[in-house]
Amino acid sequence: DAGITQSPRYKITETGRQVTLMCHQTWSHSYMFWYRQDLGHGLRLIYYSAAADITDKGEVPDGYVVSRSKTENFPLTLESATRSQTSVYFCASSESQAGGYEQYFGPGTRLTVT
Amino acid sequence: RKEVEQDPGPFNVPEGATVAFNCTYSNSASQSFFWYRQDCRKEPKLLMSVYSSGNEDGRFTAQLNRASQYISLLIRDSKLSDSATYLCVVNSATNAGKSTFGDGTTLTVKP
Repeated sequence: DAGITQSPRYKITETGRQVTLMCHQTWSHSYMFWYRQDLGHGLRLIYYSAAADITDKGEVPDGYVVSRSKTENFPLTLESATRSQTSVYFCASSESQAGGYEQYFGPGTRLTVT
Repeated sequence: RKEVEQDPGPFNVPEGATVAFNCTYSNSASQSFFWYRQDCRKEPKLLMSVYSSGNEDGRFTAQLNRASQYISLLIRDSKLSDSATYLCVVNSATNAGKSTFGDGTTLTVKP
């Protein structure tokens, strides 16, 4: 029962490089999310997806691209990394449940842009 | 104004103390509410959902006040292992799958 996984767990990249963070879930949840978390800020939503081929912007989408060709995968790409994108990135998934939409989080990717 | 606001904290309490956190939300049509726990920048994990009638899980009690638009979390008989950041989460009524997280309140329980 793998649940939700992220890779890589740690990444150091240089300014201007493209980098892709991977997220995979085994529950067939409809919804998937990407958040970033920085000191002094809570979790901020970057992009989310309600189903395969349906994505939408969150609070801080600039500089990021997502795709969702398969239900289980939701990669996040930084097209040209900047130092301000140094952060911890969490992927999450959820499915409609009685009482609300509990989100299940991956372990996070710590990204450093030098 | 943020959509979801939490007590700034930090809260430093001795073992055995009772501590309460509040969280206010601005969208009166919000649909569902949760408390998550996050340890040392690890992934957040669901602590409990918050129901209109209030709910209890062991030492933890969650309350929802729709009229005043706030939710609360009460922890009784605090343990060292309760030390963490507690995140308040509110789900949109118009997009039920999308959550808004508060910035979190940090609790440190000391011996």
